[in-house]
Amino acid sequence: GQQLNQSPQSMFIQEGEDVSMNCTSSSIFNTWLWYKQDPGEGPVLLIALYKAGELTSNGRLTAQFGITRKDSFLNISASIPSDVGIYFCAGNAGNNRKLIWGLGTSLAVNP
Amino acid sequence: DTGVSQDPRHKITKRGQNVTFRCDPISEHNRLYWYRQTLGQGPEFLTYFQNEAQLEKSRLLSDRFSAERPKGSFSTLEIQRTEQGDSAMYLCASRPPGGSYNEQFFGPGTRLTVL
Repeated sequence: GQQLNQSPQSMFIQEGEDVSMNCTSSSIFNTWLWYKQDPGEGPVLLIALYKAGELTSNGRLTAQFGITRKDSFLNISASIPSDVGIYFCAGNAGNNRKLIWGLGTSLAVNP
Repeated sequence: DTGVSQDPRHKITKRGQNVTFRCDPISEHNRLYWYRQTLGQGPEFLTYFQNEAQLEKSRLLSDRFSAERPKGSFSTLEIQRTEQGDSAMYLCASRPPGGSYNEQFFGPGTRLTVL
């Protein structure tokens, strides 16, 4: 099925470093969602974006809805060990019925 | 805990057996989704309910798969004559009513292993 281009595929960083990841789509979306998934668990919603250009923060996390409506990024500042996990972007093109997902960015944090 | 719940969390079965999974959405969420996720992939959409009506089914949902939401609350996903390729995490998500609110909230998933 259709998927988003999410990069990087994986990251290994030192505790305290900032992290940036992004997603791009070939089509316009009206919603971008960022999720975090721990092993053996379901994805947990981090941030939801609904307007082009929107910049939203959730603690140390900041995400933006791209102006073209075809991309989004997620930043994590001052990473800590519990940030470890897989981060997924997901988008909705307006049919209200299903999300299109990226393949995930696997984040490892070295204490 | 008022989040989405799924049961069982893990299921090991032999090829050819039937399995059934249950999902209880967040109360008052009228929309319910089933996804399948394999290792290294994002969730793949399987089917969607609005109240008790199944409004969309993915081509991934073969004839061996059936989902129900008889009273518009909990949902079940049944896989008949399981195959090894059915091994995956099956995720359920729910969403509140309202056309502009697209956030989906996921349960912990059911991990299926077909031997």
